[in-house]
Amino acid sequence: NAGVTQTPKFQVLKTGQSMTLQCAQDMNHNSMYWYRQDPGMGLRLIYYSASEGTTDKGEVPNGYNVSRLNKREFSLRLESAAPSQTSVYFCASSQDGTAFGVMNTQYFGPGTRLTVL
Amino acid sequence: SQQGEEDPQALSIQEGENATMNCSYKTSINNLQWYRQNSGRGLVHLILIRSNEREKHSGRLRVTLDTSKKSSSLLITASRAADTASYFCATAITGANSKLTFGKGITLSVRP
Repeated sequence: NAGVTQTPKFQVLKTGQSMTLQCAQDMNHNSMYWYRQDPGMGLRLIYYSASEGTTDKGEVPNGYNVSRLNKREFSLRLESAAPSQTSVYFCASSQDGTAFGVMNTQYFGPGTRLTVL
Repeated sequence: SQQGEEDPQALSIQEGENATMNCSYKTSINNLQWYRQNSGRGLVHLILIRSNEREKHSGRLRVTLDTSKKSSSLLITASRAADTASYFCATAITGANSKLTFGKGITLSVRP
């Protein structure tokens, strides 16, 4: 099993450009999450999907959109990138199908390092 | 302190020594989780301890939870250079406002 995979690993964008970060998991998990990690800030939740067909905002959703394409895939889209979105983005999944996977552990992908110039 | 705040921010020890890391939180929780992050990698789950548990072990890891003091500790015994990483606690709250909140992390350096 590959676990949680993310593409791309690195990306450089210019302000105003758009891009989609892809995430897939092969563990048959119900819930999936997108986080960003900034120095000194820990991990902050952007969006999550408790189960296929549902998505909800997290702590820092502004400037992002998500799509839960199917049970395996959860993508994060930046419509018009800004320098403040320079960060490392992590996708995670958990078995829990209710909310936030609070009863289960989360499995993380390797991350996408995004720089917006 | 914010929910899931770790202490110290950084810790440097010699190989073979024990490392103790602490996490404090403000509101009642359902469970508390510890994660490790090696440089440039994603987070890896270490231990989940529920609010009705006081202590859990996993190999060289020992986690305690004191709900009266709203604090948890992670002890790594007989540390190895490979334990060098950042460690995060995450507090889980269930109910209408369910969430899992990560702290800012502790940087552990184990010197060979």
